[in-house]
Amino acid sequence: GESVGLHLPTLSVQEGDNSIINCAYSNSASDYFIWYKQESGKGPQFIIDIRSNMDKRQGQRVTVLLNKTVKHLSLQIAATQPGDSAVYFCAENLHQGGKLIFGQGTELSVKP
Amino acid sequence: GAGVSQSPRYKVAKRGQDVALRCDPISGHVSLFWYQQALGQGPEFLTYFQNEAQLDKSGLPSDRFFAERPEGSVSTLKIQRTQQEDSAVYLCASRPGGNTEAFFGQGTRLTVV
Repeated sequence: GESVGLHLPTLSVQEGDNSIINCAYSNSASDYFIWYKQESGKGPQFIIDIRSNMDKRQGQRVTVLLNKTVKHLSLQIAATQPGDSAVYFCAENLHQGGKLIFGQGTELSVKP
Repeated sequence: GAGVSQSPRYKVAKRGQDVALRCDPISGHVSLFWYQQALGQGPEFLTYFQNEAQLDKSGLPSDRFFAERPEGSVSTLKIQRTQQEDSAVYLCASRPGGNTEAFFGQGTRLTVV
């Protein structure tokens, strides 16, 4: 049968610039959120997480912001490098320890 | 320490053939998940185990899909009578329990011809 491919949203940035990747999640009862990075041919790799009782969390070069009012999550990458080029997914956890529900993903392309 | 290991990395199956995909989670991890990822899309949940108990199989697309984790460690995802639409990457993930990150394996790329 016919297959329909989805085109991931793409963000293209210059090396050294800051990147912001956005995600809308679906369930207001979700209590835990994770950002994953996926390179071609590999499984998703953990970047940073945040619990619903927080609105901001910082890691090394990355910051996650959570806005529960509008069910929005963002990932900020400072001083983006070519090695950051990948597809980024947000994931929400509805029930403690239960399944993660993934968003569509954004492809980040870093130009040297 | 070893991460989540999946085998085989690649599997080509003829339509109608049965396949079995293996996942070795991180030792001691209570929870184990299977996801299906089509090209250009995010991982879609298939099923979830807590120890040997299958707590959620709501994502399995049909009764041709079956998963087990009999001793609470290694898990097998079996697909019977494979169809072309089953072609995808099958990802396994494990987590210690509770709200913690899930660690993913490299996936098994299944191609049904």
